[in-house]
Amino acid sequence: DQQVKQNSPSLSVQEGRISILNCDYTNSMFDYFLWYKKYPAEGPTFLISISSIKDKNEDGRFTVFLNKSAKHLSLHIVPSQPGDSAVYFCAASAVAGNQGGSEKLVFGKGTKLTVNP
Amino acid sequence: GAVVSQHPSWVICKSGTSVKIECRSLDFQATTMFWYRQFPKQSLMLMATSNEGSKATYEQGVEKDKFLINHASLTLSTLTVTSAHPEDSSFYICSASGLRGLSPGDTQYFGPGTRLTVL
Repeated sequence: DQQVKQNSPSLSVQEGRISILNCDYTNSMFDYFLWYKKYPAEGPTFLISISSIKDKNEDGRFTVFLNKSAKHLSLHIVPSQPGDSAVYFCAASAVAGNQGGSEKLVFGKGTKLTVNP
Repeated sequence: GAVVSQHPSWVICKSGTSVKIECRSLDFQATTMFWYRQFPKQSLMLMATSNEGSKATYEQGVEKDKFLINHASLTLSTLTVTSAHPEDSSFYICSASGLRGLSPGDTQYFGPGTRLTVL
């Protein structure tokens, strides 16, 4: 049972355009969401996160939107650059109920983004 | 940003041998380290969570006697795959999380991963 779903295994966009990566989750206990970027044979690199008390968080070219009622979040990259080509993982965590313990992340399967020059 | 290293980056071993993978946080103290494995075109699957000085907490379905985890210091955790078999071949990734502050969700910083191939 996948609690975090990234239904698009791949996405291709033109350089300069907007990339929109989507993620859905089923566990209503999740209250913290993160996006990671991963190149082949490397570990994921943290990109941006959002707490469930917000519906938007922006950092440079990257913006994450959260729709709690729909249990959906998306990552927008604008303008897209060829160097953004990588696999993007959405991850979720239940922080509030954790009571100071470790925060496990549940990952989606990833979406491979290709930005064409 | 925070840097996490893993060693070795790749290893090939014979079936039945044991392999140790090290995970180090280089510029911060990691109170918690996580070990994941990733199969091709799959998501990262959490294997276990380790806190410094205490026993690791394993996820359901992960054999703790096969995947030995030691978190001896705030900067080092090791994963030992004992009596490795071909089905253990995978990409193993560690992550480290620092001391919790007031904001929720300490970010996990990932190592570069270790590719294990068991012949």
